[in-house]
Amino acid sequence: DIQMTQSPSTLSASVGDRVTITCRASQSISRWLAWYQQKPGKAPKVLIYKGSNLQSGVPSRFSGSGSGTEFTLTISSLQPDDFATYYCQQYDSYQWTFGQGTKVEIK
Amino acid sequence: QVQLVQSGAEVKKPGASVKVSCKASGYTFSNYGISWVRQAPGQGLEWMGWISVHNGNTNYAQRLQGRVTMTTDTSTTTAYMELRSLRSDDTAVYYCARVDFLSRYCSDTSCPVDYWGQGALVTVSS
Repeated sequence: DIQMTQSPSTLSASVGDRVTITCRASQSISRWLAWYQQKPGKAPKVLIYKGSNLQSGVPSRFSGSGSGTEFTLTISSLQPDDFATYYCQQYDSYQWTFGQGTKVEIK
Repeated sequence: QVQLVQSGAEVKKPGASVKVSCKASGYTFSNYGISWVRQAPGQGLEWMGWISVHNGNTNYAQRLQGRVTMTTDTSTTTAYMELRSLRSDDTAVYYCARVDFLSRYCSDTSCPVDYWGQGALVTVSS
């Protein structure tokens, strides 16, 4: 299986900060990567498809980039609603895999 | 509006089976697929597999092969996930999610998910 590794595992930031989360794949997945946001007790919410395409309704402060084995999710100006856990997920392989998650906490 | 409504919480003994349902509404059920993802308490997301509603094709996570079966009932627009030979480490919240076969962001092997159910807690305990 393709392994997905996110860093950092936890990130402490303040409202207004620019935040970047990295996701690395154990082999090339082209651009077949999705990003999700999950809040406690809730289902994940998709933010980005195919590495950089924003899901309808997702604020433009979220952006994704990368290809091959390295990807980033950037929040340009962190808002109170953005404190959550973020996951990357590859769908290049028939066997989908998720990163272990990055928790964005209030500093 | 698209909705996926899952069945309620279950408590099962080790070795038993569980069948979780996912009732879909607000879209043409047969044009999409359903994926299942689980999350153990305090842990990350684990993909379990997906099923095409149109033709019944399935794609299961290798580590669950032989223990999991995904099915759909088009007459009731409901998807099901059955997990057998339950162990304590199967304790998790189980989510269904719609696989968007109409997405322009599909890879050569699969398509991404968009809408999610609310989750169903399955507890395995003696």
